[in-house]
Amino acid sequence: SSELTQDPAVSVALGQTVRIACQGDSLRNYYATWYQQKPGQAPLLVIYAKNYRPSGIPDRFSGSSSGNTASLTITAAQAEDEADYYCSSRDSSGDSLGVLFGGGTKLTVL
Amino acid sequence: EVQLVQSGVEVKKPGESLKISCKGSGYSFTRHWITWVRQRPGKGLEWMGRIDPSDSKTNYSPSFQGHVTMSADKSISTAYLQWSGLKASDTAMYYCARRVSGLSWYFDLWGRGTLVAVSS
Repeated sequence: SSELTQDPAVSVALGQTVRIACQGDSLRNYYATWYQQKPGQAPLLVIYAKNYRPSGIPDRFSGSSSGNTASLTITAAQAEDEADYYCSSRDSSGDSLGVLFGGGTKLTVL
Repeated sequence: EVQLVQSGVEVKKPGESLKISCKGSGYSFTRHWITWVRQRPGKGLEWMGRIDPSDSKTNYSPSFQGHVTMSADKSISTAYLQWSGLKASDTAMYYCARRVSGLSWYFDLWGRGTLVAVSS
């Protein structure tokens, strides 16, 4: 079945670099997208088309990919980066009009 | 201001019907598909399906096909998500989001969500 897999939780010390990974067969065909979600808020787009940032997203956020794995890297993590992060891509199965979300990674900034 | 404004909190009983809305403003509503995303309490995001407001064509996730109906009224820039028989398991936050297509598909604009609570 088509799915995207993420580690449930990751922690990082303030000011250090953290990488959040996402695995799935669809990532061999389609770019990953990353969303940040803070408690009580709607998801926020942080990375699209593998490594593009929307206006207003700090440049400490970056994306990369290799094979079936995409990664979101936060360089010099800040306290305000503590959030849930979801990867997403087009579904490469079936009619390819669907979208997949990973299960999410809870990032804790220590 | 470019935004998606969703309807308010709904409290319903099992078996009841419901229609929630998502109104776009500040952009050409028919230029972007609207997608619906479910988030159950304490859980992750689930893609439910999408509608093209220009022609109301829809695609549903197999997990939601037959249980919800998506529609749109382009004359008032509004998309809808409806149920004809709610279940307790439908209790969740429902987000609408605008899809951008190109190098990848992504959702660049999100509504604030509509909380649906179903309980007897």
